[in-house]
Amino acid sequence: GAGVSQSPSNKVTEKGKDVELRCDPISGHTALYWYRQSLGQGLEFLIYFQGNSAPDKSGLPSDRFSAERTGGSVSTLTIQRTQQEDSAVYLCASSLRIHSSYEQYFGPGTRLTVT
Amino acid sequence: QQPVQSPQAVILREGEDAVINCSSSKALYSVHWYRQKHGEAPVFLMILLKGGEQKGHDKISASFNEKKQQSSLYLTASQLSYSGTYFCGTEVPGNTPLVFGKGTRLSVIA
Repeated sequence: GAGVSQSPSNKVTEKGKDVELRCDPISGHTALYWYRQSLGQGLEFLIYFQGNSAPDKSGLPSDRFSAERTGGSVSTLTIQRTQQEDSAVYLCASSLRIHSSYEQYFGPGTRLTVT
Repeated sequence: QQPVQSPQAVILREGEDAVINCSSSKALYSVHWYRQKHGEAPVFLMILLKGGEQKGHDKISASFNEKKQQSSLYLTASQLSYSGTYFCGTEVPGNTPLVFGKGTRLSVIA
């Protein structure tokens, strides 16, 4: 079956512009996660969604970052007034449920470059 | 609190063994291991739950020492395909999200 997909695969934007990154999780997966991966760094948790519950936004680095998940499926991560330090690969993952025994399936990521 | 992985990088010849460690300062409920090849998405290897140990692959296994709050990933008779960056993700009790370490870069050479 289809895996997690993300778009665009690459995005170059000017400092100060807003960007939207999209994630299509695996069908039937109720949990969806966003991570940020900077060069040489690990996977930095940003936010997760579980079904209809309120998302856990504890990892969002500033109020310029927001995310939504419509209809329990597709998710959009929005970064407003982008800064150069926002440059990174943004990874989306999904799992059956938000539970420790469920593996996460990662998408290919969106490489964001802020100039 | 981000778990600490060691070593940061290791180079092996085909057939050699390696151990990657993951330590946390907090009591853990589970540990996840993922491998990421260059330019690709991380891929799941295995999950170790509190009170248990789970082997996910043929020659890749792992242990979870709850008392020491650490996990180790064992790669035996390494193959070229094992090359990549290995991440551990730790979960503390309380339905909290995984926190990933910075990764261990493993290079297997012929």
